[in-house]
Amino acid sequence: EAAVTQSPRSKVAVTGGKVTLSCHQTNNHDYMYWYRQDTGHGLRLIHYSYVADSTEKGDIPDGYKASRPSQENFSLILELASLSQTAVYFCASSDWGEDTQYFGPGTRLLVL
Amino acid sequence: DAKTTQPDSMESTEGETVHLPCSHATISGNEYIYWYRQVPLQGPEYVTHGLQQNTTNSMAFLAIASDRKSSTLILPHVSLRDAAVYHCILRVGLGTGGNNKLTFGQGTVLSVIP
Repeated sequence: EAAVTQSPRSKVAVTGGKVTLSCHQTNNHDYMYWYRQDTGHGLRLIHYSYVADSTEKGDIPDGYKASRPSQENFSLILELASLSQTAVYFCASSDWGEDTQYFGPGTRLLVL
Repeated sequence: DAKTTQPDSMESTEGETVHLPCSHATISGNEYIYWYRQVPLQGPEYVTHGLQQNTTNSMAFLAIASDRKSSTLILPHVSLRDAAVYHCILRVGLGTGGNNKLTFGQGTVLSVIP
């Protein structure tokens, strides 16, 4: 069965600090995604990647960087965390030629 | 991706069959109908998808109108574990450009009563 894991599962960060969220998939999928979800709202795409060592901007990339060092791993980096980046972050993966996305359990980030 | 319209909430009793409607009057010919669900504090979960023909899997039956302007997700014998927010999404298939993102709206909150 598809498996996407995220770490940490929750984090409290200070404003202006650096935060790195990690995602690991064992599905052998080409595509990986980072979304954020704010309370009571839908998903918004931040960054995505379809191959290792390459990332693409999604709909709301400002304030975020992404890194795909290998097919299995995809990180989201907040260089200078801000209050507005408090949210739940979901990582997902999908296979080329398949539209189904498999999601991780999410990381709850609180920026104070 | 085109817009979909779903009821804000629905309620059912355990063991019943639930019909979750979705309207997509402006759907394009190359758009697939996808359903995902999300339980609080968990990531979204794929339920099913279809293009024109009705589809079925272990989780649900997807009935698609002949004109494709609406669809209904049918959940047989619902249990408490089926309580979730159900999202109906239109997606252009891979190979037609775009970044393959998922755009969730508010969805339908399904409550299941014991």
